[in-house]
Amino acid sequence: AQSVTQLGSHVSVSEGALVLLRCNYSSSVPPYLFWYVQYPNQGLQLLLKYTSAATLVKGINGFEAEFKKSETSFHLTKPSAHMSDAAEYFCAVSDGVLGGNEKLTFGTGTRLTIIP
Amino acid sequence: DAGITQSPRHKVTETGTPVTLRCHQTENHRYMYWYRQDPGHGLRLIHYSYGVKDTDKGEVSDGYSVSRSKTEDFLLTLESATSSQTSVYFCAISEPRASTDTQYFGPGTRLTVL
Repeated sequence: AQSVTQLGSHVSVSEGALVLLRCNYSSSVPPYLFWYVQYPNQGLQLLLKYTSAATLVKGINGFEAEFKKSETSFHLTKPSAHMSDAAEYFCAVSDGVLGGNEKLTFGTGTRLTIIP
Repeated sequence: DAGITQSPRHKVTETGTPVTLRCHQTENHRYMYWYRQDPGHGLRLIHYSYGVKDTDKGEVSDGYSVSRSKTEDFLLTLESATSSQTSVYFCAISEPRASTDTQYFGPGTRLTVL
């Protein structure tokens, strides 16, 4: 069974500061990993995904994440926070069985607040 | 939202009544999913479909049924709504031949059961 743990349900950073949102996963097979962002009263939007190619993945809006197998982590970072980054962020894992299970398991989310 | 619409967007209903939520896609994706989102739980899978008339249960399927009679529509039915089913419901789609389990989400339906 696969699972995801997001450390910190709420994170606050100052505008211009580094954003670091933590995600650790558990999977019995090489995983596919995803970060989604949800703005207030909207659906989820894909930020980036890891699919066993490059371990450093770049996404939209200046975000990136690094897959570290030894640490079973996939933390999300952005060098300089903008006010528009305020949202809830979800990490998710899939077992990568193409054409098979096709199910994502989500973490409980991290709400990011940007302090002016 | 990648050609995905959900209807209604908001609904208030009473305990014991049946409720049907609709997800419609224009992407011709094979897989469709229903999730519910609750504080402290993230998103949890209710049911999913891997083709017309092909569906399977997810993590929290009790009290819900689904149907998919054509590629573009996936219906979620609460047979007898309860207050514990008050939630925000999201539909998602994916096409495994294209990539790697990437799911695209609709705008959500906020359901309140009184």
